[in-house]
Amino acid sequence: DGGITQSPKYLFRKEGQNVTLSCEQNLNHDAMYWYRQDPGQGLRLIYYSQIVNDFQKGDIAEGYSVSREKKESFPLTVTSAQKNPTAFYLCASSIFRGEQFFGPGTRLTVL
Amino acid sequence: KNEVEQSPQNLTAQEGEFITINCSYSVGISALHWLQQHPGGGIVSLFMLSSGKKKHGRLIATINIQEKHSSLHITASHPRDSAVYICAVHPWGTQGGSEKLVFGKGTKLTVNP
Repeated sequence: DGGITQSPKYLFRKEGQNVTLSCEQNLNHDAMYWYRQDPGQGLRLIYYSQIVNDFQKGDIAEGYSVSREKKESFPLTVTSAQKNPTAFYLCASSIFRGEQFFGPGTRLTVL
Repeated sequence: KNEVEQSPQNLTAQEGEFITINCSYSVGISALHWLQQHPGGGIVSLFMLSSGKKKHGRLIATINIQEKHSSLHITASHPRDSAVYICAVHPWGTQGGSEKLVFGKGTKLTVNP
């Protein structure tokens, strides 16, 4: 089945730790995106990548890092520099300027 | 002021009712999306449109580019339609286009049996 997978579904992090969220797609999409969702707010763009080995900062990139070594994969690392990382994280992919397909999300909680 | 405003924020309906959710935006856009988010968190794309009207089953989406407004209609609503409905736009950037989306805060719909 074609689609986007994210893992893990739930993730707990101690303060000061870096954690990496996985996002994989087999839709052959060039573009991939990471969003953060907080209660009562719209989704906000963290990073996006239009092509392998290239990525751009979104609106709230501070404290996050990404890589795009393979077309299928776009992992997001939440670093200790992110002061308030507890949130729901969504990955998406699309053809260029096309409809975005979303993964099931990862809920990150800082203990 | 947010670039994308949705109304209402919350909506409760009885099964069978006709439902309308509105989205207004303040920037020039190349396309508008309607998304559905279920309680588990997963998001499904319902429509992507840049003009006119699209229909899929009981769902209808319309857009008026001149008025910067879109509506999502649900006919014969059902409890399984209960979800958060999100409007998102592709704003035009200085380069004449953008693949980035700007999202509204969503409308929470509850349909009671």
